[in-house]
Amino acid sequence: GQNIDQPTEMTATEGAIVQINCTYQTSGFNGLFWYQQHAGEAPTFLSYNVLDGLEEKGRFSSFLSRSKGYSYLLLKELQMKDSASYLCAVLLDDYKLSFGAGTTVTVRA
Amino acid sequence: GAVVSQHPSRVICKSGTSVKIECRSLDFQATTMFWYRQFPKQSLMLMATSNEGSKATYEQGVEKDKFLINHASLTLSTLTVTSAHPEDSSFYICSARGGQDYYEQYFGPGTRLTVT
Repeated sequence: GQNIDQPTEMTATEGAIVQINCTYQTSGFNGLFWYQQHAGEAPTFLSYNVLDGLEEKGRFSSFLSRSKGYSYLLLKELQMKDSASYLCAVLLDDYKLSFGAGTTVTVRA
Repeated sequence: GAVVSQHPSRVICKSGTSVKIECRSLDFQATTMFWYRQFPKQSLMLMATSNEGSKATYEQGVEKDKFLINHASLTLSTLTVTSAHPEDSSFYICSARGGQDYYEQYFGPGTRLTVT
């Protein structure tokens, strides 16, 4: 089976930085995705990492270490609209996505 | 580009009836479509994978006779929930692969099914 772990909830203040960790043990690996999902809506793509290292895209950055089975999503300059669920997902060998349980981020004023 | 639509967005049906959900790729040909189910405060669980012109492959624990999937063309897949029961109430999301990036799946907006 696939095992993808991420914290259930995180709370941070507007303007702050939050780091969401994801560890995985999967039968195959073709990259790791981060998605943002607001309640009642479909996930929206944030990032895709297949090589080790940090990918920066505006206020969001994602890091991957394949040897450690570890990734994180870094959200900077938090805004109220960033309150959402953040999903870590591994792309398996047959192009299927295996999702973690999601991390609910609450941004406080 | 790479837009996926789902219809209907919300549906309420009575227990024992069947419901069909459509998933369309609007501006690309989807070689593969995936169907997911998401219960409240839980993550997406893959139900099945469908390739155009062939039978869907179902994940372990998903009843293929209850969740009928048809992928008749490169832009349309349908999921029919047969003899729906209240425990089938969930958020159903489809995704499609076949756009510009080989690795990416494009998600539809989801369908909220409520069975009374």
